[in-house]
Amino acid sequence: NAGVTQTPKFQVLKTGQSMTLQCAQDMNHNSMYWYRQDPGMGLRLIYYSASEGTTDKGEVPNGYNVSRLNKREFSLRLESAAPSQTSVYFCATRGGEQFFGPGTRLTVL
Amino acid sequence: AQSVTQLDSQVPVFEEAPVELRCNYSSSVSVYLFWYVQYPNQGLQLLLKYLSGSTLVKGINGFEAEFNKSQTSFHLRKPSVHISDTAEYFCAVSVSSSGGSYIPTFGRGTSLIVHP
Repeated sequence: NAGVTQTPKFQVLKTGQSMTLQCAQDMNHNSMYWYRQDPGMGLRLIYYSASEGTTDKGEVPNGYNVSRLNKREFSLRLESAAPSQTSVYFCATRGGEQFFGPGTRLTVL
Repeated sequence: AQSVTQLDSQVPVFEEAPVELRCNYSSSVSVYLFWYVQYPNQGLQLLLKYLSGSTLVKGINGFEAEFNKSQTSFHLRKPSVHISDTAEYFCAVSVSSSGGSYIPTFGRGTSLIVHP
């Protein structure tokens, strides 16, 4: 079992470009989460999905959109990337004890 | 809303010495408590958790934590650290939302640096 996978691992964008970060899980968990990690800030919740077909905003949703495509997949989209979105992005499943993907390191120039 | 405070951003310690990483939280409702470890360029993995029952919780790699409700703390301890324990450690609380899902809140992390 792969657990939680994320693609891509690294990405460099120019300001204004768009991209989608992909997350998939084979753990059969209902809830999925997107975080960003910045130095000294810990993990901050961007969006979460309690179950297939539902999504809710977290602490820092501005500039992002999400899609819960099915039970396995939860994508995060940046429509017009900004340098402030340079960060490491983690996908996780479950809301109590969480299971994390390996992360996507995004740089916006 | 809940919050988590990790009182030390960095903790240097010598190998084989004991260590304590401090975590305090605030919440108006019952919480679940967690400690996660993050090694360089990796995702987070669970060290230990407190859901209910005994306030002393044992985790992987020889770590343990004690839940203190009156002091709203969940400090992480290890009696003798190893070089391989060098990593970032995150304390987290999770509460149930009105919709029934769990919303985690993470502390800012403590960097444990073990010197030989």
